[in-house]
Formats: sequence, C-alpha cells, structure tokens
Amino acid sequence: DQQVKQNSPSLSVQEGRISILNCDYTNSMFDYFLWYKKYPAEGPTFLISISSIKDKNEDGRFTVFLNKSAKHLSLHIVPSQPGDSAVYFCAASAMGGGADGLTFGKGTHLIIQP
Amino acid sequence: EPEVTQTPSHQVTQMGQEVILRCVPISNHLYFYWYRQILGQKVEFLVSFYNNEISEKSEIFDDQFSVERPDGSNFTLKIRSTKLEDSAMYFCASSGQNNSPLHFGNGTRLTVT
Repeated sequence: DQQVKQNSPSLSVQEGRISILNCDYTNSMFDYFLWYKKYPAEGPTFLISISSIKDKNEDGRFTVFLNKSAKHLSLHIVPSQPGDSAVYFCAASAMGGGADGLTFGKGTHLIIQP
Repeated sequence: EPEVTQTPSHQVTQMGQEVILRCVPISNHLYFYWYRQILGQKVEFLVSFYNNEISEKSEIFDDQFSVERPDGSNFTLKIRSTKLEDSAMYFCASSGQNNSPLHFGNGTRLTVT
C-alpha cells in the first residue's frame, strides 16, 4: 500500500523554466511533509518542508504547496538550473513526529535540459 | 556543515554472514534512524532510535536486525544472518529534534551473494 505516491518517475524541463513535481498521499494522519533531493551515490538531502497548518512554504527558488483536501503537495522550482537534475523524494510523517519514520514516495527523476 | 558519515561505502558479504553497518550521526543530534533502498524501489523506514532505545520499527526490521549506540558517537545496524533480499543501500539519518528534518548519510551499499 503506497501511502505516498509520486506518479511521475521522470520529468524533463528546460533550463530557466519552472519544474513542478507532484506528490499525493493517502494517510490523513500525515501532518508534516518534506522534499528531499538525491544525487547518485549520495544520501537524500533535505530541501524544504511544510506543516499541515500551512498551505505554502517558500525558500529561495523552491516553493512547496500543500492541498490538504486533495491530499496533494507539489514542489515548484523556478527558475530550474542544471544542478537541479536529481531524484526528488516526497516524504511524510504523522503525529508531528520525527521519531516516527518518514514514509517516502518512489521519487521523480528531474532532468534539466540546457 | 556537519554531516552524517557511514562506513563502509560498499560491503559485500555471503548469505548467512553477519554484517555491521556503521554510522556517525551529527554530534548534537538526538534522534537516529536507519532506512534502506532496494535497487529500483523506494526508500523504506527501518528503525528509529532515541534515548538509547528503539522508538519505532517497521515490519522489515525483524529479529535479524538490531541497532546499537555503543558509545557517544557511533550508531550501528547489525544484520545477523544476511539473506539475498537484504541487498540494498542502507542509509543512516539523524535529527536534532523530534520534528526537524533528517540529515542522511551517503549510504552503505550492501551486496549479499
């Protein structure tokens, strides 16, 4: 049972344009959502997070939007840069707990084309 | 910037052997985790550890697995009798507070032959 779903295994975007990565979840107990970025041969690196009490969080070129009624979140990267090419994982946790394990999606491979 | 370090980067072992994967979390962090990613699949939670005890574990974390914080700096994952299906990337992570983002190490690639 996939509680966190990233339905696009890959996404190709031109440099300078907006990248939009989507994530859906099924567990209504999730109240904290994170995006991680992963380069080959490295561990996931935290990018940005959002609590369920918010619907938007912005950090530089990265913005995460949360639509609780649709159980959907998205990561917007604008403008996209070549260094953004990586696998992006959506993750969620319940009960506001970091001690609870994160549930990850399968990831979306973002490819930024020059 | 402080980082989580994992050793070795690649471990090859024969089925049935014991392996110990080592991690040095960020020094002032209190929460520790192990995750794994089987090739082509998603990152999966194994276990979380706080205050010198397991706080949560997944169904994957059966009796073959154990974790230990033998001293003030290391956090280890032991697999007692490895199986072929244990082949995966194992990621250690740590966080400073209960609701703060995890910092991951670069992983140990475990290959069981």
